[in-house]
Amino acid sequence: EAGVAQSPRYKIIEKRQSVAFWCNPISGHATLYWYQQILGQGPKLLIQFQNNGVVDDSQLPKDRFSAERLKGVDSTLKIQPAKLEDSAVYLCASSPPLAGRYEQYFGPGTRLTVT
Amino acid sequence: AQSVTQPDIHITVSEGASLELRCNYSYGATPYLFWYVQSPGQGLQLLLKYFSGDTLVQGIKGFEAEFKRSQSSFNLRKPSVHWSDAAEYFCAVGAPNDYKLSFGAGTTVTVRA
Repeated sequence: EAGVAQSPRYKIIEKRQSVAFWCNPISGHATLYWYQQILGQGPKLLIQFQNNGVVDDSQLPKDRFSAERLKGVDSTLKIQPAKLEDSAVYLCASSPPLAGRYEQYFGPGTRLTVT
Repeated sequence: AQSVTQPDIHITVSEGASLELRCNYSYGATPYLFWYVQSPGQGLQLLLKYFSGDTLVQGIKGFEAEFKRSQSSFNLRKPSVHWSDAAEYFCAVGAPNDYKLSFGAGTTVTVRA
């Protein structure tokens, strides 16, 4: 079974530029999560999708961050414009339906450096 | 809202020695508890989980964890550490019917020969 795929793996941009990350969850996983992991901290949930609907985006800085999940499968997370404090690893995770929904499977992450 | 504290930022252990990582949670009812491991450049991998029942939970890679309600703890243990266990370990808490997880800050484990 293929895991959660993310691209790019690394990205370096200057502040005030925009950037987009892509995630392809495990096939059949209805729930998709985006996390931000700042160096030395645990992952922090940014947004949760159930199919193509948003379940929770209370921690997403909506003035600069946006996310969508097309057709309930792939998802993109965008930052525009980026700030220095956005430097972090952005993790995508997905979970299966029903009883498996508590188990999240993580992708390798995208390491963003904002200079 | 639930939260997790991992008191140890960094632990160094000799190969073959035992390992214990501490995790304390804050939640009003019985939480769902998880341990994840993150190797350099990798995503998080689930080691084990606790929902209910037997308070001693067995996981992958020889790890186990014990839920102690009286101490609000869910400590992770391994009897004999291998060099490949060097990684960062995260404890996470969730709530029934709420599939979001709150993670601790993590504990980095270094294994010396």
